[in-house]
Amino acid sequence: GEDVEQSLFLSVREGDSSVINCTYTDSSSTYLYWYKQEPGAGLQLLTYIFSNMDMKQDQRLTVLLNKKDKHLSLRIADTQTGDSAIYFCAEKGKLIFGQGTELSVKP
Amino acid sequence: EAEVAQSPRYKITEKSQAVAFWCDPISGHATLYWYRQILGQGPELLVQFQDESVVDDSQLPKDRFSAERLKGVDSTLKIQPAELGDSAMYLCACQGGTEAFFGQGTRLTVV
Repeated sequence: GEDVEQSLFLSVREGDSSVINCTYTDSSSTYLYWYKQEPGAGLQLLTYIFSNMDMKQDQRLTVLLNKKDKHLSLRIADTQTGDSAIYFCAEKGKLIFGQGTELSVKP
Repeated sequence: EAEVAQSPRYKITEKSQAVAFWCDPISGHATLYWYRQILGQGPELLVQFQDESVVDDSQLPKDRFSAERLKGVDSTLKIQPAELGDSAMYLCACQGGTEAFFGQGTRLTVV
């Protein structure tokens, strides 16, 4: 069945770039998503990428997709303390989520 | 901006009692999902609706959980009887096109 995997933790300093990685199994996924979740809140859609694209840039966010390796990454430029949260990738279809990556940004 | 409404935000119930959650999706969004999120884990899909029809409920514990979306608009998720292990955040999401939007969730504590 479908499966999505992420590394669990990432710690960076304010102003640095953050790169969060995700691998997925369903090669038929048409879109792949990145969501952000702050404590006690629902999931906020950050960005998504169509499966026929390699890269998408949206302000400080850059999404890279390697379909051959089924690898998705989210780069956050100039990371701020307000970016501290849990980040989830998900694939369209049944909207299956990974375990999430907890991003900690230190001043 | 249109939002996904969920109620209640918080619910405390005793084990063996019945509990229900409500979701009102964004108008016109045909696909509706219910997820359970245990603390420290990713959301786990419980059930997916397309309009009023269930598309996938393979992960729904049907002996105690039920979900309905009678008119293809709002939806309810029920647990009867609740067990201690059901303590979690229950999230509703809807999708009308490319993007899927989430509500703020219902935090359930079973005591």
